[in-house]
Amino acid sequence: GESVGLHLPTLSVQEGDNSIINCAYSNSASDYFIWYKQESGKGPQFIIDIRSNMDKRQGQRVTVLLNKTVKHLSLQIAATQPGDSAVYFCAENIRAGGTSYGKLTFGQGTILTVHP
Amino acid sequence: DAGVTQSPTHLIKTRGQQVTLRCSPKSGHDTVSWYQQALGQGPQFIFQYYEEEERQRGNFPDRFSGHQFPNYSSELNVNALLLGDSALYLCASSAQGRVTEAFFGQGTRLTVV
Repeated sequence: GESVGLHLPTLSVQEGDNSIINCAYSNSASDYFIWYKQESGKGPQFIIDIRSNMDKRQGQRVTVLLNKTVKHLSLQIAATQPGDSAVYFCAENIRAGGTSYGKLTFGQGTILTVHP
Repeated sequence: DAGVTQSPTHLIKTRGQQVTLRCSPKSGHDTVSWYQQALGQGPQFIFQYYEEEERQRGNFPDRFSGHQFPNYSSELNVNALLLGDSALYLCASSAQGRVTEAFFGQGTRLTVV
């Protein structure tokens, strides 16, 4: 069935370390994958996305890797800071009838805690 | 630009009642999607509105209905509330064709007692 899941529900790192958050997906019809950050009491905030025809995309301090062979997605955060502490969700955009309408399927989330 | 705004921020209702949640999309956005986020879970897609019509729907019963107005704002209605409807309800807006550039509001926390 359609699902997006995460391997690790919690991740604790020291400030300055690099963080890697993983995600598995099962729907081959997804055309976009997106990472969101959600802080307590707020809605999800867009971090970075990647098209299904790419395998890597870099942003500011973040890199997303997509491995379609094993249906795996990861988010790497460089030099993690206390302000990065939040819940991180991967989401996939499911194409409907050949068109991308932005129906997002989210994973359960990983709690990232950064210790000073 | 105020971004996506939702009202109210918190709401307490009794089982069996009806509730209406509201969303104003980000300026320039014409598509509104609603999500339900249970505690400790990722958001689940309820439905999406574009051009005042429901374009896609997730796996939610007919008790969940919505509306989009000519100014692109939207309402989510839930009838015959159940305890299990307690959740954070998120509205996301986007521009047609820019499917991954969805901006989320801060949500409405609904508690059913």
